[in-house]
Amino acid sequence: AQSVTQLDSQVPVFEEAPVELRCNYSSSVSVYLFWYVQYPNQGLQLLLKYLSGSTLVESINGFEAEFNKSQTSFHLRKPSVHISDTAEYFCAVTVGTGGFKTIFGAGTRLFVKA
Amino acid sequence: DTAVSQTPKYLVTQMGNDKSIKCEQNLGHDTMYWYKQDSKKFLKIMFSYNNKELIINETVPNRFSPKSPDKAHLNLHINSLELGDSAVYFCASSQGTGAREQYFGPGTRLTVT
Repeated sequence: AQSVTQLDSQVPVFEEAPVELRCNYSSSVSVYLFWYVQYPNQGLQLLLKYLSGSTLVESINGFEAEFNKSQTSFHLRKPSVHISDTAEYFCAVTVGTGGFKTIFGAGTRLFVKA
Repeated sequence: DTAVSQTPKYLVTQMGNDKSIKCEQNLGHDTMYWYKQDSKKFLKIMFSYNNKELIINETVPNRFSPKSPDKAHLNLHINSLELGDSAVYFCASSQGTGAREQYFGPGTRLTVT
């Protein structure tokens, strides 16, 4: 069965420091990868996605993620975080086996400290 | 303009009651979803509808019954509520059923006492 593992449940980091949120998935078929962000008391919003093409994808607010097929990973990075990046981040995988289903990781809480 | 809206935002009720949550999207999408997020933030798909037809039905107690009167609406009715039903329920929509970005509503926090 397909699964998504986010290795860190919480990541505290100081403002302007770099951060990496890790995501690994298990699937033997084609996958499509997403990162969503959830701010407190809100629904999830798409941050970035990998469907095909370049394995490095970027968001408009400075986040990037790289699809690594050999390591089955899709880690999220930002070179310099802001207080406003404090949120819950979810990695998600949509598996392309007729009857697409999206599986979410357990989430990583990014806490940016001043 | 709210893209995906849910009502109510908060719902507090007693065990054994029946309640409904409503969801509407104005994005023109043809696929809608219900997710349950537990207290540890774990998000799990419950149901998915495409053009009013049920296409995903996860292992959910049959006390939960979704209804899609049209492509823009997906409601969730829960019978005989139990303590374990307490969670945040999110509605989402997408265009198509493949690998598509999903747009989430603000969530409904259900508390069963």
